[in-house]
Amino acid sequence: AQKITQTQPGMFVQEKEAVTLDCTYDTSDPSYGLFWYKQPSSGEMIFLIYQGSYDQQNATEGRYSLNFQKARKSDNLVISASQLGDSAMYFCAMREVTSGTYKYIFGTGTRLKVLA
Amino acid sequence: DADVTQTPRNRITKTGKRIMLECSQTKGHDRMYWYRQDPGLGLQLIYYSFDVKDINKGEISDGYSVSRQAQAKFSLSLESAIPNQTALYFCATSDSGGQGRIGELFFGEGSRLTVL
Repeated sequence: AQKITQTQPGMFVQEKEAVTLDCTYDTSDPSYGLFWYKQPSSGEMIFLIYQGSYDQQNATEGRYSLNFQKARKSDNLVISASQLGDSAMYFCAMREVTSGTYKYIFGTGTRLKVLA
Repeated sequence: DADVTQTPRNRITKTGKRIMLECSQTKGHDRMYWYRQDPGLGLQLIYYSFDVKDINKGEISDGYSVSRQAQAKFSLSLESAIPNQTALYFCATSDSGGQGRIGELFFGEGSRLTVL
């Protein structure tokens, strides 16, 4: 079973509008972390934002925010005021403890295209 | 200089050849990882290591081996390369988190491998 699911292979958004990228996860570990990474066309992986399983509030970092719904096991990324430079692949990842060790598992990604 | 350095950045090789991808880091992290990225599949974990004496298989370790030569160095080998190992390979590091640190992955710039 997929542990991290990103159901939107591709998304379009108009410049200056907000967009939500979906991520659902599956774990039985009570202590886990959720990460979002951006991969521009140049290929590097850029860390954007983090949500811990015990965090009471949704994480925010500048124009990035998370809609963390623990009961639904979802952690959606919201990008506000989209810019052309936001066009990229976006990956959701989960860190969980398996057999006493940390593992990071990634979703298949969402390709975002920002339209001028 | 990058904190996580991968060599080579690009490599074209032939079926059956042995190839090594090298990763070195200056972040002082104990934990190191090798991932491969294929279009539509996201990042899949090949091997990970939490210290020099600790090596663990990931989701897709068949056909690969690793060596942790030092805390800062983690190499990935393909003993006999095959065309379906054509992919973008990432090395990553992390700390253990805690004490205000979230333990995100820090990625190298990637090594693009083509097996003909």
